[in-house]
Amino acid sequence: QSALTQPASVSGSPGQWITISCTGTSSDIGSYNFVSWYQQHPDKAPKLMIYEVTKRPSGVSNRFSGSKSGNTASLTISGLEAEDEADYYCCSYAGSVFFGGGTRLTVL
Amino acid sequence: EVQLVESGGGLVQPGGSLRLSCAASGFTFSRYWMTWVRQAPGKGLEWVGNIKEDGTAKYYMDSLKGRFTISRDNAKNSLFLQVNSLRVEDTAVYYCVRDEPGYGAYELWGQGTLVTVSS
Repeated sequence: QSALTQPASVSGSPGQWITISCTGTSSDIGSYNFVSWYQQHPDKAPKLMIYEVTKRPSGVSNRFSGSKSGNTASLTISGLEAEDEADYYCCSYAGSVFFGGGTRLTVL
Repeated sequence: EVQLVESGGGLVQPGGSLRLSCAASGFTFSRYWMTWVRQAPGKGLEWVGNIKEDGTAKYYMDSLKGRFTISRDNAKNSLFLQVNSLRVEDTAVYYCVRDEPGYGAYELWGQGTLVTVSS
């Protein structure tokens, strides 16, 4: 069972940028360009923000961007806004699908 | 409107069974792989399993094999999750999601249905 590691929490002030990391292994993130990111507000269904490492679905703000280096993927949010405060999950396909443990983003 | 609506959740005793349903509308259901994702209270997301467009292939999280069964009825635009021998740790919101736009990429989610396993 793959395990994707995310920081439990990150924070930033409005207008700043933050990065959330997602560390996997050479068998998942390191081998496939199938990394996605989800935003989840309390009591809501997750929302797809990034897929295939860098792609944004239609309607997602370009303040959200994704990248990958080796076994670690990252989600960067620029120009932080209050509405960005939420939980963020990374996800990787590696024959099966695995989610990270989630990161709570607090906008100060 | 393109949407997924789950139903069938509820309170069940340990060892019991439930059949969760997901009604799809607004898109050609038979053209998509479909997936179940669950989320225990206060916890993260967990992939449960998925099913091919025509139902001929199914994949499950290793620890759930044998207890959970995914099926679909394309004529009724419906996805199902049969959950047997339920354990307290199966308590979660179960989401029905559409496999698209890519592997592990789920743009369309249902609102979820809560399964509570407790005596």
